[in-house]
Amino acid sequence: EAQVTQNPRYLITVTGKKLTVTCSQNMNHEYMSWYRQDPGLGLRQIYYSMNVEVTDKGDVPEGYKVSRKEKRNFPLILESPSPNQTSLYFCASSLYGTGTRGGYTFGSGTRLTVV
Amino acid sequence: AQTVTQSQPEMSVQEAETVTLSCTYDTSESDYYLFWYKQPPSRQMILVIRQEAYKQQNATENRFSVNFQKAAKSFSLKISDSQLGDAAMYFCAYRFTSGTYKYIFGTGTRLKVLA
Repeated sequence: EAQVTQNPRYLITVTGKKLTVTCSQNMNHEYMSWYRQDPGLGLRQIYYSMNVEVTDKGDVPEGYKVSRKEKRNFPLILESPSPNQTSLYFCASSLYGTGTRGGYTFGSGTRLTVV
Repeated sequence: AQTVTQSQPEMSVQEAETVTLSCTYDTSESDYYLFWYKQPPSRQMILVIRQEAYKQQNATENRFSVNFQKAAKSFSLKISDSQLGDAAMYFCAYRFTSGTYKYIFGTGTRLKVLA
């Protein structure tokens, strides 16, 4: 089944404790991206990657890191989480170029709470 | 800068009736993609319908159709014969067709379906 697998689904952590949210897709998509969803703000892009070793900042990159060492994986790293990073996070992938007309496939989301 | 506006934070519809969710956007591009995504309580993001800006014909997918008015920069979603399973948050999204292929999401409209 074509899908984006995102883990964990729920995570509660303490301020300053490094964490990684994993994202993996099995569709050979070049384009991958991370979003956070907050009430009243919609989805905002954190980082995106257009291919292996090619990543760039989105609209709200502060406090986050990403890497794209393999085409299928795009982990999101919070080096020192803070309470303002409490949010619902989504990983998404798509084809690149004209393939982007097909839209995103989303992961199932990670509900992160930082206390 | 491109923006996407969903002016209705919440809407209600009686089961079997028709409802229209509004979305307007601002862009100076001539070619782009537009999408509607559904987010049910499970929080999974599901693609409902997509429209390519160069296509004049409005997209339809079963009970879902759009009214795409390019000059007015309007992209409304019509849901016919509403069902209880249509209750969800609906996001309108704009995607660039080149460069960063960035998505811009609206803030969402919560649809309630009344039995």
